[in-house]
Amino acid sequence: KQEVTQIPAALSVPEGENLVLNCSFTDSAIYNLQWFRQDPGKGLTSLLLIQSSQREQTSGRLNASLDKSSGRSTLYIAASQPGDSATYLCAVIDYGQNFVFGPGTRLSVLP
Amino acid sequence: NAGVMQNPRHLVRRRGQEARLRCSPMKGHSHVYWYRQLPEEGLKFMVYLQKENIIDESGMPKERFSAEFPKEGPSILRIQQVVRGDSAAYFCASSSRGRSYEQYFGPGTRLTVT
Repeated sequence: KQEVTQIPAALSVPEGENLVLNCSFTDSAIYNLQWFRQDPGKGLTSLLLIQSSQREQTSGRLNASLDKSSGRSTLYIAASQPGDSATYLCAVIDYGQNFVFGPGTRLSVLP
Repeated sequence: NAGVMQNPRHLVRRRGQEARLRCSPMKGHSHVYWYRQLPEEGLKFMVYLQKENIIDESGMPKERFSAEFPKEGPSILRIQQVVRGDSAAYFCASSSRGRSYEQYFGPGTRLTVT
């Protein structure tokens, strides 16, 4: 059974710092991996989707990498801003067609 | 191009009543997914539907919960005889093809059972 974990559970950084969020999954046979942000009381916003054949994706200040063999993905946020404060979720789809979310990392960027 | 829409955004029901949650997928999307987020827990998959078909309901509780996605109109998640433990945020997502493709999420419906 696929399990997804995220470290750290919470993170607080001063504005301007670069930071890395980690996502680990137990079954490396995944089809793709997706990063989302969730704002308090709101829905999810898709940030980046990485296909299993890809190693990374970039969008603006965000860069997500994928290492299937080690069961890891990282989300790198450059030059963090207070508006980046949210919960970041990673989710994997495996070949069993199961879409599994991690518990999330709560990020606070302090002005 | 409107995103995924859900209504109502907030729903309050007394124990024993029925709750109906609606989801309109993005234009051109025929695949709909429902997820539940319990307080202090992660998102859990409930059910995956295409038009008029339930593809995967492995995450749905066996009793009181049902879902449909008719040929016309929104997808409906129905909870009968609600209990306090049903209080949660229910999110709907849609994709243009199967679930291995990017899913776009709605704002969620927050159900409170009193």
